Amino acid sequence: DIQMTQSPSTLSASVGDRVTITCRASQSISGWLAWYQHKPGKAPKLLIYKAASLESGVPSRFSGSGSGTEFTLTISSLQPDDFATYCCQQYYSYPWTFGQGTKVDIK
Amino acid sequence: QLQLQESGPGLVRPSETLPLTCTVSGDSISSGSYFWGWIRQPPGKGLEWIADIHYSGSTSYNPSLKSRVTISVGPSKNQFSLKLSSVTAADTAVYYCGRRFSSYGYFDYWGQGTLVSVSS
Repeated sequence: DIQMTQSPSTLSASVGDRVTITCRASQSISGWLAWYQHKPGKAPKLLIYKAASLESGVPSRFSGSGSGTEFTLTISSLQPDDFATYCCQQYYSYPWTFGQGTKVDIK
Repeated sequence: QLQLQESGPGLVRPSETLPLTCTVSGDSISSGSYFWGWIRQPPGKGLEWIADIHYSGSTSYNPSLKSRVTISVGPSKNQFSLKLSSVTAADTAVYYCGRRFSSYGYFDYWGQGTLVSVSS
């Protein structure tokens, strides 16, 4: 299985901050990576697919980059609604695997 | 607007079989363009993909769970189901259902999840 490792596990930030989350794959996954936002009791929300493609309806302050084994999710200016957990997922090969999540909380 | 809703027993005894159903509204699971899947999240841990299915019957399973998992379409139209046998406390998790494009492995729609606890 391809292991996905996110850093940091927790990130404290303020509204307006630029936030960057890193996801590393244990082997090359080309650009087959998705990012999700997850809030307690709610359905996870797809933000980014194919490493850098923004899902329809997702604010442009979210962006993704990377290829191979290292990927980043950037929130250019953190908004109150963005305090949540973010996780990455590789879909290069079965079984699909996820990172352990990065919780973004209020500083 | 596509919606997915999981339903399950909430509490299952060790060694028993966990049945879960996902009801889809706003789209037909027989549309052909998608796979429909199950993902879970144990308390304090990351997400784990379990299995997915195309309405044609094509299935994929996580090898770590394959021996205990059955995914199927039904029991009613626009539903798909999961059965996890011989459950232990390690199967305690929030179980989500989701939809992915047939050609890609990311899930563009998810349900809100249902918590299943395994305890005697």
